[in-house]
Amino acid sequence: SAVISQKPSRDICQRGTSLTIQCQVDSQVTMMFWYRQQPGQSLTLIATANQGSEATYESGFVIDKFPISRPNLTFSTLTVSNLSPEDSSIYLCSAIQGAPDTGELFFGEGSRLTVL
Amino acid sequence: GQNIDQPTEMTATEGAIVQINCTYQTSGFNGLFWYQQHAGEAPTFLSYNVLDGLEEKGRFSSFLSRSKGYSYLLLKELQMKDSASYLCAPMDSNYQLIWGAGTKLIIKP
Repeated sequence: SAVISQKPSRDICQRGTSLTIQCQVDSQVTMMFWYRQQPGQSLTLIATANQGSEATYESGFVIDKFPISRPNLTFSTLTVSNLSPEDSSIYLCSAIQGAPDTGELFFGEGSRLTVL
Repeated sequence: GQNIDQPTEMTATEGAIVQINCTYQTSGFNGLFWYQQHAGEAPTFLSYNVLDGLEEKGRFSSFLSRSKGYSYLLLKELQMKDSASYLCAPMDSNYQLIWGAGTKLIIKP
């Protein structure tokens, strides 16, 4: 099974700044995703990180606000730009090994963001 | 539309058995996952069903009926450490997992 490391694990940021979260997987994975989860709420998919090309964003999420990179099969970053208090949440990196319909989804430990 | 329906919260006694039900509607179907999530932690994989029937894995079993859009997670010999949220997540035709808010399970001594 894949082990996913995220950093930072938590951060407190000022309104208007940006935060970049890094996600490193210890083995090659086919798909990587970024999720957001508010306390007590369901996981919300932000985007699918595509290797070497632009990420595929879900409805309500745009590249200008959430730029994503995935330069290779094991690493991705998510930037949350122009922060506002509404962006306070846990951001989770996840990945699938193998075919999407046969592999389980592995999660990183999450990055807890608080915006003041 | 796509949606998941699970009870918000359940309470059970240590050593007992509990069944967490899930009904779903998705655009296409490529199997259903159950995840466990302890407070403040990331979800961890429990089970995956793609065919109808019961899959048993130790104290945990998961059942699927595709025709009914129904699944359940059965937890036996409950332990205090089983207190967590349990997330039912079907996979749609685009291989995307559809997440509900999960069921918070509280285990009492």
